[in-house]
Amino acid sequence: GAVVSQHPSWVICKSGTSVKIECRSLDFQATTMFWYRQFPKQSLMLMATSNEGSKATYEQGVEKDKFLINHASLTLSTLTVTSAHPEDSSFYICSALKGQGKQPQHFGDGTRLSIL
Amino acid sequence: TQLLEQSPQFLSIQEGENLTVYCNSSSVFSSLQWYRQEPGEGPVLLVTVVTGGEVKKLKRLTFQFGDARKDSSLHITAAQPGDTGLYLCAGAAGGAGSYQLTFGKGTKLSVIP
Repeated sequence: GAVVSQHPSWVICKSGTSVKIECRSLDFQATTMFWYRQFPKQSLMLMATSNEGSKATYEQGVEKDKFLINHASLTLSTLTVTSAHPEDSSFYICSALKGQGKQPQHFGDGTRLSIL
Repeated sequence: TQLLEQSPQFLSIQEGENLTVYCNSSSVFSSLQWYRQEPGEGPVLLVTVVTGGEVKKLKRLTFQFGDARKDSSLHITAAQPGDTGLYLCAGAAGGAGSYQLTFGKGTKLSVIP
């Protein structure tokens, strides 16, 4: 199998709070994980590529100081939304590549983030 | 930048009807994935196609990869209400870009009982 667990599944917090989302590959090691953002009724938008043991690669327009990514082990990547504001409210989804970067990507169940 | 045009964007059909979803690009992909996503959940992989001209069947779902590896289609026969969901195609470039996916905009399918 290729199971990816994402936690929490839903979080509501006040504006200005920092929120950490975890993405774990449960039954395989993942040197590469990805973080996506999805707006209602839209497709997935890649935010950044998370590489184990090195800095994440951010897509154009994504603030790296706003969305902190840490991939400290082969089974865990975290996304921290710092000083969150209502416009950061969205559905965040992670995925992981099993093996040496070969497709397909296996996705977590997503995190619904609501900033009040 | 690779683009993947997916159509139709919305599709509402009666139970028992057939349908086809298309993904087209001017770029060549080393592989193409089809995912299905339910509201509030992550995408679930349906199939990966890697060879030009390849056809894969998954029960009532038939996936085809174009000969030139630039386009793909998903055909559902005798659609059921349980097929309702967002269908996403995603292509991977070759070489150094093979680990990233380019997603189509998705097809929201509603199958009415």
